[in-house]
Amino acid sequence: GAVVSQHPSWVICKSGTSVKIECRSLDFQATTMFWYRQFPKQSLMLMATSNEGSKATYEQGVEKDKFLINHASLTLSTLTVTSAHPEDSSFYICSAREGGQKAGITDTQYFGPGTRLTVL
Amino acid sequence: GEDVEQSLFLSVREGDSSVINCTYTDSSSTYLYWYKQEPGAGLQLLTYIFSNMDMKQDQRLTVLLNKKDKHLSLRIADTQTGDSAIYFCAESPGFQKLVFGTGTRLLVSP
Repeated sequence: GAVVSQHPSWVICKSGTSVKIECRSLDFQATTMFWYRQFPKQSLMLMATSNEGSKATYEQGVEKDKFLINHASLTLSTLTVTSAHPEDSSFYICSAREGGQKAGITDTQYFGPGTRLTVL
Repeated sequence: GEDVEQSLFLSVREGDSSVINCTYTDSSSTYLYWYKQEPGAGLQLLTYIFSNMDMKQDQRLTVLLNKKDKHLSLRIADTQTGDSAIYFCAESPGFQKLVFGTGTRLLVSP
């Protein structure tokens, strides 16, 4: 099956620093990747949609200058949390959608294992 | 608007059936999904149903869809302790985008 990895799996940083999270599709090409954040005991909230070779589309209320997304290749997207603050502490999950349309499932997203960010 | 609701918690005994319910709002969703999340992990796609179907069975999983009432359910037969996790339903109101429900925490006791 399709595998998506994230790195790092957890990170602790000081307030004011920037943190980069990588999302990779290991055995397929992902034209589209998605970034979600999940607060404890809550659902996933879509932050942005990242399309290879173009600018990311951010959901309402998500600061694009704070959460920088780069999707430079068909297998890698990065999320950089700039000038992180304690309220940015969360579980960040990426997903990747395979290029083209698989027969029967047009929206299948394969999820990474998540990155837990703690900002002190 | 997009609003997907689930009951927060379900507790069952091992061997019983579990039924997790979900209500959604967007009737244009082509597919509806069930995902499983184990502690500290990402999401695993369990099953999905096409919007013109009423039921889909996949081994121990049965998905029922009532499109008129916008109600989706997931039945897990012979529930095992390894099924303990959070279950999310999701609708797809537009191409690419998934909207997740609030999640149901399933606890299976021996």
